[in-house]
Amino acid sequence: QVQLQESGPGLVKPSQTLSLTCTVSGASFNSGSYYWSWIRQPAGKGLEWIGRIYPSGGTNYNPSLKSRVSVSVDTSKNHFSLKLSSVTAADTAVYYCASEPVLTGHQTDGFHIWGQGTMVTVSS
Amino acid sequence: QSGLTQPPSASGTPGQRVTISCSGSRSNIGSNFVYWYQQLPGTAPNLLIYRNDQRPSGVPDRFSGSWSGTSASLAISGLRSEDEADYYCGAWDDSLSGWVFGGGTKMTVL
Repeated sequence: QVQLQESGPGLVKPSQTLSLTCTVSGASFNSGSYYWSWIRQPAGKGLEWIGRIYPSGGTNYNPSLKSRVSVSVDTSKNHFSLKLSSVTAADTAVYYCASEPVLTGHQTDGFHIWGQGTMVTVSS
Repeated sequence: QSGLTQPPSASGTPGQRVTISCSGSRSNIGSNFVYWYQQLPGTAPNLLIYRNDQRPSGVPDRFSGSWSGTSASLAISGLRSEDEADYYCGAWDDSLSGWVFGGGTKMTVL
């Protein structure tokens, strides 16, 4: 059973870079069986997909965040990471990592497993 | 941004059947599967329906999904108090090359 756990600073200053890590257990990045995504949710608001990385190392990003986002993977540590630069108060949210089982080719099967989420506040 | 459209709220009495709609476009629901997520208060979202109408193991058959054209629906029959939650639809969008979600529907059991 895949399990995910987010970690990282809970407070980031405006204009700085938000960095989070998602530790994966129960699955290997080398298996090619999953894509790995980041999703966020401001307090009292809906879900916003941020971006993902897939087995070949390729990425997809939300067009509205693409200029500031980077998702990478460290297979030796079995974790993947999110970096969001030039943050503002609008980036304050709960950040989730999630796994997408590969269905066929580049098609995945939704977000089957989610981490518990980590709250990040952008404030000086 | 919310690429899919859901009503912000829905309600029903215990035992009632309620539905939540999710409207999209040709590039998302019209071309790809729809997924539904349930988010209980203070917790992470949980997959409720996948590939339009499939239930993961452990999800009661009171929950069902349907799809037609560029719209989808989630139905809850035999509504129970523990169904009070936020419900989100999601789909891959070919034009954006990314996932889009609905704004979420808050289900209240009266």
